[in-house]
Amino acid sequence: QKEVEQNSGPLSVPEGAIASLNCTYSDRGSQSFFWYRQYSGKSPELIMSIYSNGDKEDGRFTAQLNKASQYVSLLIRDSQPSDSATYLCAVTPYGQNFVFGPGTRLSVLP
Amino acid sequence: EAGVTQFPSHSVIEKGQTVTLRCDPISGHDNLYWYRRVMGKEIKFLLHFVKESKQDESGMPNNRFLAERTGGTYSTLKVQPAELEDSGVYFCASSQGGGGNEKLFFGSGTQLSVL
Repeated sequence: QKEVEQNSGPLSVPEGAIASLNCTYSDRGSQSFFWYRQYSGKSPELIMSIYSNGDKEDGRFTAQLNKASQYVSLLIRDSQPSDSATYLCAVTPYGQNFVFGPGTRLSVLP
Repeated sequence: EAGVTQFPSHSVIEKGQTVTLRCDPISGHDNLYWYRRVMGKEIKFLLHFVKESKQDESGMPNNRFLAERTGGTYSTLKVQPAELEDSGVYFCASSQGGGGNEKLFFGSGTQLSVL
């Protein structure tokens, strides 16, 4: 079983809709959870970090963490074409460095 | 403030040659990481420096890869001799804190193609 799993997509949503990106992880001792956005040919860019159960909102982005179920999600409200990118989930398992998921490709259709 | 910078942005070499990648972290960031993304795969950890010391090099694939961080500033990653499977994008990242809660800032990567 891979340590961090994501649906590779592509996930297509119409402009203005809510995009929901999911990530599951295998190490119950994981401490920190991050969402990165990567445009094609560019470096990963940090969008959100979350450390405790529940929701964390930042503008149009909401990260949700459920440690009991070992999943973390990212909601993007009012999706824009400029949100089209690959979204990487990153987790820090106990005693390890960052582990990245394979990424979900999001396409927001005008 | 300058971000993480990497050089070169692209490198095309033949199998058996040597390539050296450079990373300049954000000023003041003690933690420096090297990652690699092979085509179609996830970003994989290679190693982690804290200042000039190697904190964790468990992700280094084999002894053809050598990373250094002289003086705790910039870092180099040398691949010698390069093999076809070394092709991919090599990312450098830096952070200020530690312990797994810190936020990583990535460079734009070096696209390495081994022919």
